Amino acid sequence: GQSLEQPSEVTAVEGAIVQINCTYQTSGFYGLSWYQQHDGGAPTFLSYNALDGLEETGRFSSFLSRSDSYGYLLLQELQMKDSASYFCALYSSASKIIFGSGTRLSIRP
Amino acid sequence: SQTIHQWPATLVQPVGSPLSLECTVEGTSNPNLYWYRQAAGRGLQLLFYSVGIGQISSEVPQNLSASRPQDRQFILSSKKLLLSDSGFYLCAWSIGQGETQYFGPGTRLLVL
Repeated sequence: GQSLEQPSEVTAVEGAIVQINCTYQTSGFYGLSWYQQHDGGAPTFLSYNALDGLEETGRFSSFLSRSDSYGYLLLQELQMKDSASYFCALYSSASKIIFGSGTRLSIRP
Repeated sequence: SQTIHQWPATLVQPVGSPLSLECTVEGTSNPNLYWYRQAAGRGLQLLFYSVGIGQISSEVPQNLSASRPQDRQFILSSKKLLLSDSGFYLCAWSIGQGETQYFGPGTRLLVL
């Protein structure tokens, strides 16, 4: 089967940098995605890594290492509005995505 | 541009009552469609997905069912709700290979 693990909670300071890790177990997949979800809202797509390496989108970057079965989301210049839950997700097959359990990011002033 | 609609936004239903949640997508053709459930403070559990009209794949055996009567319409149903069916139900769509999913606003269901 497939599974993803990520920390349940992370706390950081406004203006700082935070990294949210995701490890996975799978027999095969096409890529790793990250989604953001604010309390009471729906998840929104942040980034997708099909290949190993770093993808940068503004203040957010995502990294994938297939050899290590590992990825992370890096958030820079943290703002209070970045307080949310972040999910990693495996794009596996047949247009299907398996989500991790999510990491709740709390940001202190 | 594409938009996705879900209704109702919130629903309170007694145990044993039926359920019908509707999701429609505008601005795209032949999307992949998905139903997820999210318990409070938890991750997303994939319930059903569909790659075309009448094509439904079930991920978790339970008392829910899904149907896709039209290309851009996806319906989640139950004949008799259980307390454990309470949660946040999210519909999503994708196109092409499906690596990016776009979520609707969700329906909060409380079964009492």
